[in-house]
Order: sequence, then C-alpha cells, then structure tokens
Amino acid sequence: KQEVTQIPAALSVPEGENLVLNCSFTDSAIYNLQWFRQDPGKGLTSLLLIQSSQREQTSGRLNASLDKSSGRSTLYIAASQPGDSATYLCAVIQGAQKLVFGQGTRLTINP
Amino acid sequence: GAGVSQTPSNKVTEKGKYVELRCDPISGHTALYWYRQSLGQGPEFLIYFQGTGAADDSGLPNDRFFAVRPEGSVSTLKIQRTERGDSAVYLCASSLYAGGGSEQYFGPGTRLTVT
Repeated sequence: KQEVTQIPAALSVPEGENLVLNCSFTDSAIYNLQWFRQDPGKGLTSLLLIQSSQREQTSGRLNASLDKSSGRSTLYIAASQPGDSATYLCAVIQGAQKLVFGQGTRLTINP
Repeated sequence: GAGVSQTPSNKVTEKGKYVELRCDPISGHTALYWYRQSLGQGPEFLIYFQGTGAADDSGLPNDRFFAVRPEGSVSTLKIQRTERGDSAVYLCASSLYAGGGSEQYFGPGTRLTVT
C-alpha cells in the first residue's frame, strides 16, 4: 500500500527566504506526482504536476523535483512572500486513478 | 471557464439522518473523483467515475456511502444513517480523462458536520 509522508509538518520562516518542502513515498511505481496548495477552509489548488518520466517542473518561483528511484520529491519556493502561507500537499498517482496524499506541510511566512 | 463546484458549502445534520452532496465537474471532463479530508489530514480517496460508471469505489468506508453520476456529468455522494465520525470536508475533483497524466482539478469542498 502506497504511503506518502511530508516533512516537516509545519514550517515558519521570515519573508524573502528560499525554502524546501519534502515529500517521500514508499512505492516508486507511480504515474505522476502533484503538488497542491490549500488555504484555510478552501479546496486544493494544483501547483505543479510532474510526470514519472520527468525530473522537475517549474512555475514562477516554484520548482518541484522528482526522484522516483529514491521515492522523493521536493518543492522549492524562492524568495518567499507572506501570500505563500498555506498548507502544501503532495500526492502520487499509480495504476488506479486515485491520488494518495501526504498529510501536508503548514507553511507560515512572517513579514 | 467555470471550475468544479460543490453544493452545499456547509451541511450540518443530526446523527442518523440522510445527506446528499453534489458536485458539478468542469465541462467536458470525463473523470470525476470524490475524496474526504479530516481535520489536519490529507484528503483520502473515496470513489472515481469514468463517464457514468464507478470505476473504483474501493475507498468508500462502508455501505452507508454511495455515489452516482447518472448522465456522466453531475455526481451526488449519498450518506445514509450519518454518524459523528462522518464529519469531514468532502472534496470533488474532475479531470479531462482518467489517466495518470491527466491533472485533477478540485472543488472548494462541502464541510459536513454531524451532531
């Protein structure tokens, strides 16, 4: 059974810092990995989707990497801003179409 | 275009009652998914539809939960004899097709509280 773990559970950093969020998964047979953002009381917003054949994806200040063989992904956020404060979730998809989520990292950017 | 919409946004019901939660997917999306998110946890898969049929319902916790998508568009998640443990946010997502390369887009969720 696939298990997804995110470390740390919570992170607080000053504005302007670069930061890395970590995601690990136990079964490397995945189709893709997706990073989401969730604001309090809201649904999920997709940030980046990495296909299993890809190593990384970039969108603006966000860069996500994927190492299937080691079962790891990282989300890099450059020049963090208070508006980046949210919970970040990673999820993997396998043969079935369901996403398997980690528990999330709650990020706070302090002005 | 419009995103995934869910109604109601909040539902409070008494233990033992029946509830229906509705999801309107993005127009043209053939695949539809239901997830449940408990406080402080990531979402957990319940069921997904490809067209009108439930392709995988392995995440439904028990037979009190049922979902339909009769015309291949709108879906309804039905919960009978609700229990306090059913309290959670129920999220719906849709994708262009059911495949690992097709991105899932989520609605805002329905917050269900069973008193």
